Amino acid sequence: DTEVTQTPKHLVMGMTNKKSLKCEQHMGHRAMYWYKQKAKKPPELMFVYSYEKLSINESVPSRFSPECPNSSLLNLHLHALQPEDSALYLCASSRSTEEYTFGSGTRLTVV
Amino acid sequence: GQNIDQPTEMTATEGAIVQINCTYQTSGFNGLFWYQQHAGEAPTFLSYNVLDGLEEKGRFSSFLSRSKGYSYLLLKELQMKDSASYLCAVRDRDSWGKLQFGAGTQVVVTP
Repeated sequence: DTEVTQTPKHLVMGMTNKKSLKCEQHMGHRAMYWYKQKAKKPPELMFVYSYEKLSINESVPSRFSPECPNSSLLNLHLHALQPEDSALYLCASSRSTEEYTFGSGTRLTVV
Repeated sequence: GQNIDQPTEMTATEGAIVQINCTYQTSGFNGLFWYQQHAGEAPTFLSYNVLDGLEEKGRFSSFLSRSKGYSYLLLKELQMKDSASYLCAVRDRDSWGKLQFGAGTQVVVTP
């Protein structure tokens, strides 16, 4: 298995909703990442997990809450989002020195 | 921090060669990546350079000069499916795992 799987592919949520994005990989990668990408912009790093511990938080607002239950799973819990949070959310994983493998992303729309 | 520059857009005809340049300034360098991204899809890994020189992979080649803070991606025998955004990304030595992306170069291949 050489893929990073993200669910759901599309999500529409209201500003008062609570939802979660899920990411899964079975490549034995011990680093996992969340990126946010707005239209026609490059991906922006949000969080890095290394060996299931949060190692980097790029000053992301607390309405985004990451969780790494085990070495294969990464979640992003969403609460009280704003319309400007609408974006493509990409999950990625890597070994220490090899390429980063990206999932196909969750297209999030906040209404 | 890092500052990564690449051209916004390039146009070339089918069968031709295109070279996408990327310059970067970083406080700590630990590798440069090139990714291809079609609209609405996940970035796909193309190449990785950590030492100076040329890496060749089929129709794609990537070059790195660490002393000049410079890389290029060379696309040969262009095909229509190569129309995409090409992202240069630098890994920070001091923040392990952090991959910083340039703004991307939109390549348009014409018949």
